[in-house]
Amino acid sequence: DGGITQSPKYLFRKEGQNVTLSCEQNLNHDAMYWYRQDPGQGLRLIYYSQIVNDFQKGDIAEGYSVSREKKESFPLTVTSAQKNPTAFYLCASSPREKPGEAFFGQGTRLTVV
Amino acid sequence: GNSVTQMEGPVTLSEEAFLTINCTYTATGYPSLFWYVQYPGEGLQLLLKATKADDKGSNKGFEATYRKETTSFHLEKGSVQVSDSAVYFCALRWEAAGNKLTFGGGTRVLVKP
Repeated sequence: DGGITQSPKYLFRKEGQNVTLSCEQNLNHDAMYWYRQDPGQGLRLIYYSQIVNDFQKGDIAEGYSVSREKKESFPLTVTSAQKNPTAFYLCASSPREKPGEAFFGQGTRLTVV
Repeated sequence: GNSVTQMEGPVTLSEEAFLTINCTYTATGYPSLFWYVQYPGEGLQLLLKATKADDKGSNKGFEATYRKETTSFHLEKGSVQVSDSAVYFCALRWEAAGNKLTFGGGTRVLVKP
């Protein structure tokens, strides 16, 4: 079955540690996205990538980094510079021919203690 | 910049009631418009879309019409079920903005039996 997989579902880290969230898709989609969702709030775009080896900052990129070395993978690193990293993180992908029709992963809930 | 505004929730309804969720947008040009739904503990799923003025998107009994004159894309369903309880997100995509999806704040809907 094709889909987009985020792992792990729950992640706990100590303050000051970097942590990497995984996102893999086997849909052959060109574009991939990372969003952050806070309780009672909408989705805010962190980073997006339209093609391998290229990515752009979204609206709240500070304290985050990404890479896009393979079409299938778009990992997100939450660095110690992110002031308030506890949140629900959603990865998505969309096909070139239907941009905007995004497929979302199940999300990773990151808690920093 | 582009933005999407949704009515704040939560919206609480009884089964078989009529549901309307208001969505208005600000964008230059002619964006494509989408409604996504998020069930508890899950990622988002595309519910319906409209790509040009006066288009009507429909799916699972939900409908929304792209109204350029009022810059709106209100979501409606004639008779809701308990299984429609979820968070609904309005979103837009504008090609000139790099095909990014911009989301509204989400509206939580609770349908009671």
